Amino acid sequence: DAKTTQPTSMDCAEGRAANLPCNHSTISGNEYVYWYRQIHSQGPQYIIHGLKNNETNEMASLIITEDRKSSTLILPHATLRDTAVYYCITGGSQGNLIFGKGTKLSVKP
Amino acid sequence: DVKVTQSSRYLVKRTGEKVFLECVQDMDHENMFWYRQDPGLGLRLIYFSYDVKMKEKGDIPEGYSVSREKKERFSLILESASTNQTSMYLCASSFYRDIAKNIQYFGAGTRLSVL
Repeated sequence: DAKTTQPTSMDCAEGRAANLPCNHSTISGNEYVYWYRQIHSQGPQYIIHGLKNNETNEMASLIITEDRKSSTLILPHATLRDTAVYYCITGGSQGNLIFGKGTKLSVKP
Repeated sequence: DVKVTQSSRYLVKRTGEKVFLECVQDMDHENMFWYRQDPGLGLRLIYFSYDVKMKEKGDIPEGYSVSREKKERFSLILESASTNQTSMYLCASSFYRDIAKNIQYFGAGTRLSVL
């Protein structure tokens, strides 16, 4: 079973920031938090990952709470092309990624 | 950019056929994975490989086998296709064996229909 909990769906207005929350209360000290997204009929796409510090790249920002039990992915200026299912993941024991159901983000004009 | 290429986007096969799904990555990654994705069940790991000629079973290996003769290529084989193997198959690769740095790159997927 996935070790993370995410809302089933969220809406966001185009041009606004999309903030996607994730709970991972059982994360261990050396586990990273990864975010992927999957646009319809495509393979998952890596977005960002972090351990305990906040991270930013050209796609998004990742805010991890100090106790590491939750995190938030921020898409600063959502576009219609950001409509996708977003997965928050902590590493599996076999090196695989255990995907949960994710959050279906709908960006609306 | 990392490129993971799956040989077919769509495939239709008949029950009992032997099916080969091919995956090639161009970044010299050591690790390669095969997942299947079904509605309501998410992605499930079938097999993975950390090195040439090496394979490990994932969560749902029954009915499947794999081959990794070269570092860049990882094949998934359905020995005798059945209708319950109709699914989206996703291949992924990654560089680090350490799961703490395990960024996986996925192919576009193969949607297999077994009739």
